[in-house]
Amino acid sequence: KAGVTQTPRYLIKTRGQQVTLSCSPISGHRSVSWYQQTPGQGLQFLFEYFSETQRNKGNFPGRFSGRQFSNSRSEMNVSTLELGDSALYLCASSLEPTSSGNTIYFGEGSWLTVV
Amino acid sequence: GDSVTQMEGPVTLSEEAFLTINCTYTATGYPSLFWYVQYPGEGLQLLLKATKADDKGSNKGFEATYRKETTSFHLEKGSVQVSDSAVYFCALANYGQNFVFGPGTRLSVLP
Repeated sequence: KAGVTQTPRYLIKTRGQQVTLSCSPISGHRSVSWYQQTPGQGLQFLFEYFSETQRNKGNFPGRFSGRQFSNSRSEMNVSTLELGDSALYLCASSLEPTSSGNTIYFGEGSWLTVV
Repeated sequence: GDSVTQMEGPVTLSEEAFLTINCTYTATGYPSLFWYVQYPGEGLQLLLKATKADDKGSNKGFEATYRKETTSFHLEKGSVQVSDSAVYFCALANYGQNFVFGPGTRLSVLP
């Protein structure tokens, strides 16, 4: 069974631009959550979607947004990019919402560099 | 809120040495506990998990026992290999809350 797929794997953007990252969860998984990983801050929770509804949101500015489609695929968008947005963005999927205690499975991540 | 504390390292060991990475948690109720591993340039992979007190999770020679009395879930391996070099994350999942991850422990194993 295919794992969590994230695209693109690597991208370089310029300050002020916007970016969209995509995540396809494991087949049958309805929950998708997003994390930002940086050397200084570790893993930080961005948001979680379940059945097309945002369930939780981390402490990030409104420039960070996301959505989930009826097939459970999810996208996250960052507008007006700043240098500090350079990070590895990880998507994780699970059968049920993460608050149920289920295991979450990660994709390989999207490496974003803002110059 | 819930939290996870783990030794940040880096931890450097010689091949075939014994490994312990400490993890303690603060949580209400009965969370599930996990160890995830991140190899260079990759996402996180589930290494092992335990869902209730005294459960032992094991995989690829790694083990961890859910100790409710000490709120700990220490990761151990009897003989590490160079290929075990990675960052290890302890995490907990509690009903009604998001996953909580520790800061990660970088392990380097030298030949």
